[in-house]
Amino acid sequence: EADIYQTPRYLVIGTGKKITLECSQTMGHDKMYWYQQDPGMELHLIHYSYGVNSTEKGDLSSESTVSRIRTEHFPLTLESARPSHTSQYLCASSEGGFTGELFFGEGSRLTVL
Amino acid sequence: TQLLEQSPQFLSIQEGENLTVYCNSSSVFSSLQWYRQEPGEGPVLLVTVVTGGEVKKLKRLTFQFGDARKDSSLHITAAQPGDTGLYLCAGANGYKLSFGAGTTVTVRA
Repeated sequence: EADIYQTPRYLVIGTGKKITLECSQTMGHDKMYWYQQDPGMELHLIHYSYGVNSTEKGDLSSESTVSRIRTEHFPLTLESARPSHTSQYLCASSEGGFTGELFFGEGSRLTVL
Repeated sequence: TQLLEQSPQFLSIQEGENLTVYCNSSSVFSSLQWYRQEPGEGPVLLVTVVTGGEVKKLKRLTFQFGDARKDSSLHITAAQPGDTGLYLCAGANGYKLSFGAGTTVTVRA
């Protein structure tokens, strides 16, 4: 069973608010990821991290930012949310290479009004 | 344009029937993964196939990787309501993993 947790599971906020989506894993994995998932669309990688103090942008341009101060923690922040940010955000981690098995959290569903 | 095309997009069948979902690409992959995502959950890995022509069986699920490593299929025999979910394929190319949009499977009791 994967030990990766996301909070909040659901969030409804107004435009312009700052939000942080939390992601924590207890498996000691070096690599962590944030994906965006929308109905009928492929999962898009928006951020990834090799390890502590290492973050990179993914394939899909995103206005969000991430940080990796501790191995187990990889939060995603939106400084000023907009309706276009409404989506499901999935956090994942892996050991070994970037193309190995991904362990996903349950997701954070964000709705911006 | 999606790198990995999954078909059909939706599939609804009766319990006990068989089903096949497809994952196709014009790109060659070093390996291909299949995940299942149940409602309200994150995707969970079912299998990884790495060799062209490889067939892997997981109880009632049979996975096949095409000879040219560009496509894959997932066949479920005697589907059960517990097989309901979104089935995602993901192809590995170099250091990158690319996902398809998934097939939503509903098995009616």
